[in-house]
Amino acid sequence: EAGVAQSPRYKIIEKRQSVAFWCNPISGHATLYWYQQILGQGPKLLIQFQNNGVVDDSQLPKDRFSAERLKGVDSTLKIQPAKLEDSAVYLCASREGVGYGYTFGSGTRLTVV
Amino acid sequence: KNEVEQSPQNLTAQEGEFITINCSYSVGISALHWLQQHPGGGIVSLFMLSSGKKKHGRLIATINIQEKHSSLHITASHPRDSAVYICAEEETSGSRLTFGEGTQLTVNP
Repeated sequence: EAGVAQSPRYKIIEKRQSVAFWCNPISGHATLYWYQQILGQGPKLLIQFQNNGVVDDSQLPKDRFSAERLKGVDSTLKIQPAKLEDSAVYLCASREGVGYGYTFGSGTRLTVV
Repeated sequence: KNEVEQSPQNLTAQEGEFITINCSYSVGISALHWLQQHPGGGIVSLFMLSSGKKKHGRLIATINIQEKHSSLHITASHPRDSAVYICAEEETSGSRLTFGEGTQLTVNP
């Protein structure tokens, strides 16, 4: 079974630039999550999708972050414009449903300079 | 204040030692997750449990719902066990995970 695919693996941008991350979850996994992990901290949920609908985006900084999951499969997370404090690893995870385990992607390490 | 607290933050052990990492949470949960994160960022799910005890190889996870406490044990530790171990609570109101800060484990040969 293929895992959760994320790209790019690394990204370095200047502050105020835009960046987008891509995630392809495991086939058949209805629930998709984006987490932000700042160095030395545990991951923090940014947004949760159930199929192509948003379930929870309460911790998403909506003035600069946006995410979509068209067709309920792949998802993209965008930051526009980026700030220095956005430097983090952005993790995508998926699961088949409640009661099942999570599968995480390898993450995208973003550095904003 | 993080609702999920882990101890210790850092743990160094000699190969072969028995390891225990503790996790306390503050709200009602549908499940408690233990995950492993290696340098480079990838996270692997180790256990998902809502009661009792689970065992997988040298890893054992226990949970006490009344005390809102869980432990992860590693028997006969090995240098390849060196990683960050994270516990996360899955809320009853949804499937969101709230993560602890993680425990950095280093096992020396």
